[in-house]
Amino acid sequence: QSVLTQPPSASGTPGQRVTISCSGSSSNIGSNTVDWYQQVPGPAPKLLIYNNNQRPSGVPDRFSGSKSGTSASLAISGLQSEDEADYYCAAWDDSPNGPVFGGGTKLTVL
Amino acid sequence: EVQLVQSGAEVKKPGESLKISCTGSGYSFSSYYIAWVRQMPGKGLEWMGIIYPGDSDTTYSPSFQGQVTISADKSTSTAYLQWSSLKASDTAMYYCARRSLEAVAGNWVYWFDPWGQGTLVTVSS
Repeated sequence: QSVLTQPPSASGTPGQRVTISCSGSSSNIGSNTVDWYQQVPGPAPKLLIYNNNQRPSGVPDRFSGSKSGTSASLAISGLQSEDEADYYCAAWDDSPNGPVFGGGTKLTVL
Repeated sequence: EVQLVQSGAEVKKPGESLKISCTGSGYSFSSYYIAWVRQMPGKGLEWMGIIYPGDSDTTYSPSFQGQVTISADKSTSTAYLQWSSLKASDTAMYYCARRSLEAVAGNWVYWFDPWGQGTLVTVSS
């Protein structure tokens, strides 16, 4: 059982907007920033969002993140077939002083 | 280019030992923490532990404390993950990742980037 809670699946049609939620507690999301990682089947996870809502260079602005209290969310607008992947949220946890991950959300583009 | 390159896939028998590696390039390896993350087949990401190559300061996840050993050699820019006695349940993909950080409004912000390509470890009799 993962420390951070994500829905196991999400879906949308091309062009649609999809959001993925991530719920934690005061020791992780409540007191530290949230990251999001994208894992296309096969390759390693790739950083998508850091510091709650910052996009690394090269990540399209269709991807956005937000955080409120002990929850966070990832929004993908203008959904494309290439967005089909697993998405993981992560945050530093003050105990055990290490990162914790969500269980992952499998996004299907219909 | 900042990158982490991991050693190749391994097939081992239960009870055998194993050490896999993660070599960094394109940055000051000693100055950034390296984390190890496990992904069991069809499952999510689990943090195993983290090491600062500069002084080998290491923190283990309680779930992995005593099960694995994390080490680093800053002279070769390489971090290691090792097992003394593998079990079938150790079958998984293992990733290393660099912990990046930035000071924002007086607080440290952390994230993991880049990640290694992963090392598949298969333990089977």
